[in-house]
Amino acid sequence: GAVVSQHPSWVICKSGTSVKIECRSLDFQATTMFWYRQFPKQSLMLMATSNEGSKATYEQGVEKDKFLINHASLTLSTLTVTSAHPEDSSFYICSARVPGAESLGYTFGSGTRLTVV
Amino acid sequence: GQNIDQPTEMTATEGAIVQINCTYQTSGFNGLFWYQQHAGEAPTFLSYNVLDGLEEKGRFSSFLSRSKGYSYLLLKELQMKDSASYLCAVQDSNYQLIWGAGTKLIIKP
Repeated sequence: GAVVSQHPSWVICKSGTSVKIECRSLDFQATTMFWYRQFPKQSLMLMATSNEGSKATYEQGVEKDKFLINHASLTLSTLTVTSAHPEDSSFYICSARVPGAESLGYTFGSGTRLTVV
Repeated sequence: GQNIDQPTEMTATEGAIVQINCTYQTSGFNGLFWYQQHAGEAPTFLSYNVLDGLEEKGRFSSFLSRSKGYSYLLLKELQMKDSASYLCAVQDSNYQLIWGAGTKLIIKP
C-alpha cells in the first residue's frame, strides 16, 4: 500500500535552533503534501499545503518564514522549523493523497514529536 | 464558517457496540472520512463515504446522510485495542479536509 515515511520520529532541540522534518512518499508520487500540527488532546490543524515545484500555501496564522516548506521532488517534502521556541513543541504530521485512490483516503506519515527546550 | 461536531469523549464496554456521531457544515462536500488515532501516533484510515448509506468493513461501519449533514461510525464487538480517538473529516468543495476535534473512546473491561 501507499506509504509516507516521516523522519525523525522525535527530536529534542534547544531554543533558537532549527529542525528539519522530512516526508517521503515511498511507492507513489505525491504532488501535494499536507503538513499538520497537533497539540495534546486537540485535533489536527492544517499548517500548509505544499505542491511539487511551487510555493507552499500557508493557513492563516502560520508564519511562512518560521515554518519553511520545500517540495522539490514528487517524493520528498520537508518542513523546517526555524528558530524554534518552546511553544513550537508539538506533534507534526505530513499527509498525502494517493492519486487515483480516493476511497483509500489520505496517507499519513508516522509523525514527529518536537520538543524545544 | 465550516464546522465539524463530534462528542469529546465516550465510554463503552468490551464486547459491546458504540456509535460515534459526526455532524458537519461545510462549503461543499466531496466525501467524509473517519480515522482512528492512538495516542502519540498518526491517524490511520478507517472509512470513506461519499454517497448516502452504510459502508461496512468488518467490525466497523460508517453511515452518511448528506441531506442531514450527518455521519456515524459504528464499532461492534469492541476490543480493548479500540481505545483511541476517532476523527471525522469532511472534504470540502476545494478538496480541503476539514477536521473534527476527535472523539476519545474509552473501552472498559
